[in-house]
Amino acid sequence: DVKVTQSSRYLVKRTGEKVFLECVQDMDHENMFWYRQDPGLGLRLIYFSYDVKMKEKGDIPEGYSVSREKKERFSLILESASTNQTSMYLCASSPLETKNIQYFGAGTRLSVL
Amino acid sequence: GENVEQHPSTLSVQEGDSAVIKCTYSDSASNYFPWYKQELGKGPQLIIDIRSNVGEKKDQRIAVTLNKTAKHFSLHITETQPEDSAVYFCAASTTGTSYGKLTFGQGTILTVHP
Repeated sequence: DVKVTQSSRYLVKRTGEKVFLECVQDMDHENMFWYRQDPGLGLRLIYFSYDVKMKEKGDIPEGYSVSREKKERFSLILESASTNQTSMYLCASSPLETKNIQYFGAGTRLSVL
Repeated sequence: GENVEQHPSTLSVQEGDSAVIKCTYSDSASNYFPWYKQELGKGPQLIIDIRSNVGEKKDQRIAVTLNKTAKHFSLHITETQPEDSAVYFCAASTTGTSYGKLTFGQGTILTVHP
């Protein structure tokens, strides 16, 4: 089974803090994605990566950055957390050969106070 | 870019009834339409998908239909059971893109009452 692991289920941070959300997948997938999930808005793509050190902006990249130094790990960085970044963050991965089929982690619920 | 609208936002049914969730998309180039189910405390999981060269696809109690002309697709769940209670997301994508980017709908909270 594909496993996508997000390092924290719950996270509480203060406004202005730098926040790192980590995601690891164990199936050697080329593509990795970061989404935020908000009620009534569905899943919105923040960033994605199709290879090590490669990244592309999604639909809502403002206030976020990403890092992919190793194929299995994709990190989402909030440079200076703000209260409007309080949300559920979901990581996903997909293989090159079936790139549209994404496998999701369980999510990190981030609260910024 | 692609825009996907999903309705209804909440759906409540009695066990054994059918449930239908509908989505519309805007980009005529989209040709792949998956449905994901998210159970409480878990990430979304693919339950069924359909490609634009097919009008309908069934897998046991779930089915998806696609109307390319009208740009809408629907999820049908028959003989609903309490374990069908979850959040359902539709999505649209173009398989020709390199990275498998999906555009998701807003989600439907389905509650099946015993």
